[in-house]
Amino acid sequence: NAGVTQTPKFQVLKTGQSMTLQCAQDMNHEYMSWYRQDPGMGLRLIHYSVGAGITDQGEVPNGYNVSRSTTEDFPLRLLSAAPSQTSVYFCASSYRGLRGEEQYFGPGTRLTVT
Amino acid sequence: AQSVTQLDSQVPVFEEAPVELRCNYSSSVSVYLFWYVQYPNQGLQLLLKYLSGSTLVKGINGFEAEFNKSQTSFHLRKPSVHISDTAEYFCAVSDPVEVQGAQKLVFGQGTRLTINP
Repeated sequence: NAGVTQTPKFQVLKTGQSMTLQCAQDMNHEYMSWYRQDPGMGLRLIHYSVGAGITDQGEVPNGYNVSRSTTEDFPLRLLSAAPSQTSVYFCASSYRGLRGEEQYFGPGTRLTVT
Repeated sequence: AQSVTQLDSQVPVFEEAPVELRCNYSSSVSVYLFWYVQYPNQGLQLLLKYLSGSTLVKGINGFEAEFNKSQTSFHLRKPSVHISDTAEYFCAVSDPVEVQGAQKLVFGQGTRLTINP
């Protein structure tokens, strides 16, 4: 199993550009989520999904869109990038997303918006 | 809302010395607690978790943590560290309020552990 994979690893955008961060898992996990990691702030939840066709907002959803058309994939879209979205983005998954379950994290995407 | 405070942003330690990384959380309601480790240029991986039962939890790589309900703390310890333990460590709590049956993890700010030879 590859686990949780993310592409790209690095990306530089100009303000106003759009892009999609890709996330895929091959563990047949129902629950997937996106976090952003900023210095001194730990990880903050952006959006999550409890299964195909079901998504919901986390703590910091503004400026991001998600969809979940398959169990395996959970892309994160930035519609109009802003410098405040410069961060490291992590995708994570767990079997059913129940309390107490371990979450498996991808290697991250480092995004810089100029 | 839940919050998690990691009291030290950086902890330098000499190799083979003991270490304690401190974590306090805000709620006294039933919580699940986690420690994750992030090695350089990698994603996070689970070190250990507390769900219920014994307050002393053992994890991978010789780490352990003690749940203290009265002090709302979940400090991480290792009796003798190795160079390979150099990483960032995150404490997290599972919010007791679930939406659509899904847990939400709230993370602390992270503690960067540096092991010096």
